Formats: sequence, structure tokens, C-alpha cells
Amino acid sequence: DAGVIQSPRHEVTEMGQEVTLRCKPISGHDYLFWYRQTMMRGLELLIYFNNNVPIDDSGMPEDRFSAKMPNASFSTLKIQPSEPRDSAVYFCASSPTETGQQFFGPGTRLTVL
Amino acid sequence: QKEVEQDPGPLSVPEGAIVSLNCTYSNSAFQYFMWYRQYSRKGPELLMYTYSSGNKEDGRFTAQVDKSSKYISLFIRDSQPSDSATYLCAARRGTNAGKSTFGDGTTLTVKP
Repeated sequence: DAGVIQSPRHEVTEMGQEVTLRCKPISGHDYLFWYRQTMMRGLELLIYFNNNVPIDDSGMPEDRFSAKMPNASFSTLKIQPSEPRDSAVYFCASSPTETGQQFFGPGTRLTVL
Repeated sequence: QKEVEQDPGPLSVPEGAIVSLNCTYSNSAFQYFMWYRQYSRKGPELLMYTYSSGNKEDGRFTAQVDKSSKYISLFIRDSQPSDSATYLCAARRGTNAGKSTFGDGTTLTVKP
């Protein structure tokens, strides 16, 4: 199994630009999570999906952030417009219902100038 | 107050030492407890997974949960330089298979 796949691995953009992060979960996993990690705030849950349906988006910082999961094998996290304070590592994780054990992707390191 | 609090560290030990990493939690509904290891510039990887109170051993690693005191521990025996990483504890409720609450992590350095 290839594990959770994220792209791009690194993204450098200018303030005001739209950023789209992508995630392919492990096949057969019915939960998908988006996290943000910074030194100051640690690992924060932004949103999670169950069977492609958003369950809890209370961690999404503001309307500039949106996430979609159009099918079981693909999800996106979009930031529009981006701001320097959005600079962080964004992780996608997936888990099966049976165990709830989350498997993380390698992350996308986002830098907003 | 965060639902899962972790000893902040950083922690530096000599190779071969026994390491103790600790967390406390406040939500009595938590039933599943996890330890993740995160190497620099990598994603967290699941290290230990336990249900309710008790001990679980896997090689040099032992996870311990004391629900009466809401205390979670990870012990590493015969620590190795390759154990140098950030360790995150996490907990979740049994009724909600999805959402886990993470501690902020403790960075461990094992010196040869």
C-alpha cells in the first residue's frame, strides 16, 4: 500500500493567491482528516470527513478555508486568499472505522510570502 | 485548558537510558489512547494504540494508561539515537471513531 499521498510536498506562494492542497487516502479507509501543524499551536484538526461527508469543520480557521471530498479517493483543502499566517505544514490522514487508527501523509509545507 | 496536556520537554538522554513520556487528559469519555512518533519533516506515525486502562508492550516500547488519574505514559527501554523524534499522545472517545485529540508533543533526543 502506498499510504496516504499528498501533493504538492512544498508550496511557496504570495499573499492573496489561491492555494489548493490535495490528498489521496488509503484505499478502504472511510475517514479522512485535515490537520495543520505549527510550532506555536501544535497539531490542529481542521476538518474531517466520514464516507466523503464533512462531519466536523469547527477547526477551520475562517471562511478563507474550504475542503471537499468529491469521492472516496480524493480530497482538497483550499485557501483563498492566502495570508502569511497560513504558513504551516498541512497533513492529511485517513483511518478505517474498525480501528480508528489514523495514518498520516507526508504533509505539505506551505509558505505564504 | 486543552483536553490533552503533554509534558513539553525537550528531553535529552544518553543512549541506553529509559525514557518516560507523559500526558494527562481531562475528558472522562476518552477510551482510546495513542502514541505517535514524528521524525523531523515527516508525518506522525502510529506507535502504540491502547484501549481503556492497562499496559501494552511492543518491543522496547510500553504504553500505560491509568484512567483513574487520567494519565498516559510511554516508556522506551534501551533508548537508541534512532528514537530521537517528537512524540505525540492522543486520545479519542469510543462513540466517535473519527476525531482524536492530540497533545502538543515532546521532543526527545537520544545522544550516542
